[in-house]
Amino acid sequence: AQSVTQLGSHVSVSEGALVLLRCNYSSSVPPYLFWYVQYPNQGLQLLLKYTSAATLVKGINGFEAEFKKSETSFHLTKPSAHMSDAAEYFCAVSDLGDKIIFGKGTRLHILP
Amino acid sequence: GAVVSQHPSWVICKSGTSVKIECRSLDFQATTMFWYRQFPKQSLMLMATSNEGSKATYEQGVEKDKFLINHASLTLSTLTVTSAHPEDSSFYICSASEQGLQETQYFGPGTRLLVL
Repeated sequence: AQSVTQLGSHVSVSEGALVLLRCNYSSSVPPYLFWYVQYPNQGLQLLLKYTSAATLVKGINGFEAEFKKSETSFHLTKPSAHMSDAAEYFCAVSDLGDKIIFGKGTRLHILP
Repeated sequence: GAVVSQHPSWVICKSGTSVKIECRSLDFQATTMFWYRQFPKQSLMLMATSNEGSKATYEQGVEKDKFLINHASLTLSTLTVTSAHPEDSSFYICSASEQGLQETQYFGPGTRLLVL
């Protein structure tokens, strides 16, 4: 069965610092992996997705994630945090385009 | 492109009444639509998957008679919460995917339901 684990329900970084949000997955087949962002009282916006092409995936707003099969990880990074990055981030996994399983989310706080 | 809308964005109703939430794909044909429920500060939980013209597939533990889903066209799916009770208060989010691109779901902005 597919599952996603996001390490850290809250992460705080200073403005301008590196953002690192951790995600590990479990899947019996090569997965599709996603990162979504959710702002308060809004739906989800796709940041990026991995679908078995390049292992380093670039997304919107300067985010990127690297698929590491040996570590079953798909961590999300951004070199320099901006105040507008404060939001809830969800890692998700899907087997061959089947339903998406979401992680519990990580709330990113940006410190001035 | 790939915009999904939901209506209404929020609704307050009395206990025992039914509430209908619409989910529309504005610029693409959504062969599959998904309905999620999100409790405060929690993740999204898939309630059901619907394919146009077919009955919805409900996740384990979701009452199909309480949460009626209709996917009558390639651009519209509706979720009706029947005989709503305060415990049904939640944030309901729909998503939609195109035929052949089912690995990508486009999410609506969500509907906040408060049952008094």
